[in-house]
Amino acid sequence: GQQVMQIPQYQHVQEGEDFTTYCNSSTTLSNIQWYKQRPGGHPVFLIQLVKSGEVKKQKRLTFQFGEAKKNSSLHITATQTTDVGTYFCAGDSGTYKYIFGTGTRLKVLA
Amino acid sequence: DTGVSQDPRHKITKRGQNVTFRCDPISEHNRLYWYRQTLGQGPEFLTYFQNEAQLEKSRLLSDRFSAERPKGSFSTLEIQRTEQGDSAMYLCASSLWREGTDTQYFGPGTRLTVL
Repeated sequence: GQQVMQIPQYQHVQEGEDFTTYCNSSTTLSNIQWYKQRPGGHPVFLIQLVKSGEVKKQKRLTFQFGEAKKNSSLHITATQTTDVGTYFCAGDSGTYKYIFGTGTRLKVLA
Repeated sequence: DTGVSQDPRHKITKRGQNVTFRCDPISEHNRLYWYRQTLGQGPEFLTYFQNEAQLEKSRLLSDRFSAERPKGSFSTLEIQRTEQGDSAMYLCASSLWREGTDTQYFGPGTRLTVL
């Protein structure tokens, strides 16, 4: 069955450093979504990518969808303490049965 | 607060009992998803509805799980004969689906503990 893996599992950064998490699917995706979940909270939608090679930016966050639509990345520039949380990608192969990745837990040290 | 509500927020039950959870989505949203999340893991897809039609169901879902969305508004998820392995956070999400757009708004979840 379809699998979605994320690396790294954990990342500790100093405030102001950059952060990147990578998402890889075992199958070609129709679209991919990214979510942020704070400790004790629920997932919060960040973005959806649909097109091959697509790049979208939201302030300090940059999202990319690979040319083959099997991988994606989220890059945060100059992290802040408010960026703390777990970042999940969720891939859809066209059936809307979203498969969430294993998540990357980000800690930002002030 | 995303506008998606779930009830109850916490449920403690004994093994073998039946439980039912309710999700109230954002009012104009046509899609409703159910997920299950255990500690340290990402949400696991269970099922989703387009209006009142249940379009997909995870093969991981045993026959003990059933979901309904009778009028295309609120939804219920029932677990029969609960097992300790069913202990998890059950999340509901709704979206206003259009081609190329499926922004899911998650509710706060129902935490189930099976003793």
